[in-house]
Amino acid sequence: AQSVAQPEDQVNVAEGNPLTVKCTYSVSGNPYLFWYVQYPNRGLQFLLKYITGDNLVKGSYGFEAEFNKSQTSFHLKKPSALVSDSALYFCAVKREAAGNKLTFGGGTRVLVKP
Amino acid sequence: NAGVMQNPRHLVRRRGQEARLRCSPMKGHSHVYWYRQLPEEGLKFMVYLQKENIIDESGMPKERFSAEFPKEGPSILRIQQVVRGDSAAYFCASSPLESESYEQYFGPGTRLTVT
Repeated sequence: AQSVAQPEDQVNVAEGNPLTVKCTYSVSGNPYLFWYVQYPNRGLQFLLKYITGDNLVKGSYGFEAEFNKSQTSFHLKKPSALVSDSALYFCAVKREAAGNKLTFGGGTRVLVKP
Repeated sequence: NAGVMQNPRHLVRRRGQEARLRCSPMKGHSHVYWYRQLPEEGLKFMVYLQKENIIDESGMPKERFSAEFPKEGPSILRIQQVVRGDSAAYFCASSPLESESYEQYFGPGTRLTVT
């Protein structure tokens, strides 16, 4: 079985401040980890993924995430948030060699205030 | 390159009617996935299909729900005799190959409302 936890329902941050969205996972074997963003009434947009290699992954729109195997975490970060980053963020996991279905966290709503 | 297309975007059905949701994957993608999102919740996997094959249907309800991805045409998610609890956003995603390392690309979703 695999699961993802996003412990914060909402994160509030002032524009220009650093943004962190937390994600922890539980999976047996090697995880493949993904971050997606969802704007109102839209589908999910892919931001970045960790498959193997460097633990720091850089993605779209200035986002990055750090894979930490010992803490089973994959937190999403952005050094300087923009108002346009306000959206719903989802972390997802697949287990290596266990099929293609993604297991999603419950989502974290990010509100960036001007 | 057009993205994943879903139609209709909004669908209203009365209890007991049938709902048909369509998904056209991105060009060159032969793997389709369906997910359901209930209000204020994350997405839940329903089914994974390749052309003419259901690969994984572990997330599909046992009754009333079915999915297909024919050789020609879009993938269809069919819900028979809809109930109010079926009201949700249904998202389709596609990927180019079977490799698990590929990300899935999502469509805009179909929002089903059962009255």
